Amino acid sequence: RLQESGPGLVKPSEPLSLTCTVSGDSISLSSHYWGWIRQPPGKGLEWIGSIFHSGNTYYSASLKSRLTMSVDTSKNQFSLRLSSVTAADTAVYYCARHGVPYYDILNGHNWFDPWGQGTLVTVSS
Amino acid sequence: EIVLTQSPGTLSLSPGERATLSCRASQSVGTNYLAWYQQKPGQAPRVLIYGASSRATGIPDRFSGSGSGTDFSLTISRLEPGDFAVYYCQQYDTSPWTFGLGTKVEIK
Repeated sequence: RLQESGPGLVKPSEPLSLTCTVSGDSISLSSHYWGWIRQPPGKGLEWIGSIFHSGNTYYSASLKSRLTMSVDTSKNQFSLRLSSVTAADTAVYYCARHGVPYYDILNGHNWFDPWGQGTLVTVSS
Repeated sequence: EIVLTQSPGTLSLSPGERATLSCRASQSVGTNYLAWYQQKPGQAPRVLIYGASSRATGIPDRFSGSGSGTDFSLTISRLEPGDFAVYYCQQYDTSPWTFGLGTKVEIK
């Protein structure tokens, strides 16, 4: 239902751009946020940022200065752009839907289900 | 940010045994906004538990979550062959939403 796409190799100092295509669900009609999470090889998971179909975003503070997320409801896609990458940005990047609608205060919505299969991005010259 | 410490790092058990995994937060996780995920090699994580104790859709009842405040646990009552994997906890109470480093459940 979610599929990441983008270059697998990015040069240091250049921007990293990825797109997540959603099928079986409509971003524009959904009450869910949509997020990006990454996992460096052999390491743990790091939340990057999330976006709503209105364009409202919230980002991890550690990446905020380099991060831009956008949504294209006509294509049912959302995207990530991370500028000035270094080797530390090498990771598998996952897109995911937030688990429940944003208004579900009882359960809280900032967990992730389902996830895309992930795409490996390597930063190297 | 809230740091989640998972223990043990590796749990070696046999099929049919009970597994208890711990997740300790550096500060209280409000409203029990804590989730557990299972990740198998080469696959994306899948959610097992949210809200500390609510099973996600399709998750068998041998998986259960408990805890509050700073101490949470995931219990697998009887390990099946497909349960050997890495398990992560995630807090979603305070941004940035953070994950623990994982507990690997391996076959003894």
